[in-house]
Amino acid sequence: GIQVEQSPPDLILQEGANSTLRCNFSDSVNNLQWFHQNPWGQLINLFYIPSGTKQNGRLSATTVATERYSLLYISSSQTTDSGVYFCAVRTPKTGTASKLTFGTGTRLQVTL
Amino acid sequence: NAGVTQTPKFQVLKTGQSMTLQCAQDMNHEYMSWYRQDPGMGLRLIHYSVGAGITDQGEVPNGYNVSRSTTEDFPLRLLSAAPSQTSVYFCASSSGTPRRREQFFGPGTRLTVL
Repeated sequence: GIQVEQSPPDLILQEGANSTLRCNFSDSVNNLQWFHQNPWGQLINLFYIPSGTKQNGRLSATTVATERYSLLYISSSQTTDSGVYFCAVRTPKTGTASKLTFGTGTRLQVTL
Repeated sequence: NAGVTQTPKFQVLKTGQSMTLQCAQDMNHEYMSWYRQDPGMGLRLIHYSVGAGITDQGEVPNGYNVSRSTTEDFPLRLLSAAPSQTSVYFCASSSGTPRRREQFFGPGTRLTVL
């Protein structure tokens, strides 16, 4: 099946710093989502971005589907950004629209 | 809209007991799924449904049953709980065109099997 790799696995930032999280995937995709799992375990949808670039406040994401990667940018980080960031993809080959394959996540800690 | 709701939030079972995790959505979504998340890992698909009356297996279906009698509800049944099923369970739903099936997740159920 499709492989999804995220880097870095862990990241510690001071408040106000910027960061880039990367998601590489091994096959063509027709769905790519970024999620933030907060310290209470809730999964929050950040972006639905199978291709192109989107921005939402301090966050933005770019997916280059032809090169099989996606980037999540966090600018002016805040302590509330702490948690785990997951990339999840769906490939047309799986035969089901329901299956998202998740990466193992990037654990972000933002300190004062 | 309440979105995707799950009950209970926490549950402790003894080995061999059975229980049902409830999932409901009020967005009229066709697609619903159950995932489990183990420590330090991403989510893995257990079962999914593409509409009422239609279900199929995901990556890790053993030990779980599902049914979908209505569009809104998608319960997950543990037939005989085992310690290996200790995990956090997430229900998700999605709809839209084939090119836009953004998934939305419920708050999760934390299950411990002793």
